[in-house]
Amino acid sequence: DTAVSQTPKYLVTQMGNDKSIKCEQNLGHDTMYWYKQDSKKFLKIMFSYNNKELIINETVPNRFSPKSPDKAHLNLHINSLELGDSAVYFCASSQDRGGGYEQYFGPGTRLTVT
Amino acid sequence: LAKTTQPISMDSYEGQEVNITCSHNNIATNDYITWYQQFPSQGPRFIIQGYKTKVTNEVASLFIPADRKSSTLSLPRVSLSDTAVYYCLVGDRSSDKVIFGPGTSLSVIP
Repeated sequence: DTAVSQTPKYLVTQMGNDKSIKCEQNLGHDTMYWYKQDSKKFLKIMFSYNNKELIINETVPNRFSPKSPDKAHLNLHINSLELGDSAVYFCASSQDRGGGYEQYFGPGTRLTVT
Repeated sequence: LAKTTQPISMDSYEGQEVNITCSHNNIATNDYITWYQQFPSQGPRFIIQGYKTKVTNEVASLFIPADRKSSTLSLPRVSLSDTAVYYCLVGDRSSDKVIFGPGTSLSVIP
């Protein structure tokens, strides 16, 4: 039974399109995250929600908009996709807010913008 | 906010013990040190966490000196399947900042 799941696993699209990535966790955790991992393997946090409240909103273009319909789901919508958005996007969850809690990661969504 | 530095890459032969050190000079009193492992095409997964001294589990050991300005992840007798990127993360259980280190790419050679 997958703890943190993401869909789709692969996403290939053209510049200018709008796309969404969905994430669900069945661990009963209060906090969820979106990370971007570039080709150099740097993991950069983008957003974090705690009980559906946005608590981390790093310097990310406003073309990226997270939505948390409930504490088990955190979706990421991206408008007007650009070449530089190509990366692997990871969803994660943890029991509570703070880097001191163990995070559980999803399998990732590889986004390729052409 | 504690920033971490790690070696970019390491090579090791099978069967050897591997030690990966993470520097975190600005670690705060309430910060924990957590290590994650990431295999290709997978998400990172938790390996071990510690606050001070030594922690050991079935996968690894974590050594933290008294000043806590660094930590060392120790993998005993590595195998080819330990080839992965290892990330160090320093953070507490109240603030909302989460910053992963640059990661150390470990290659295990037969």
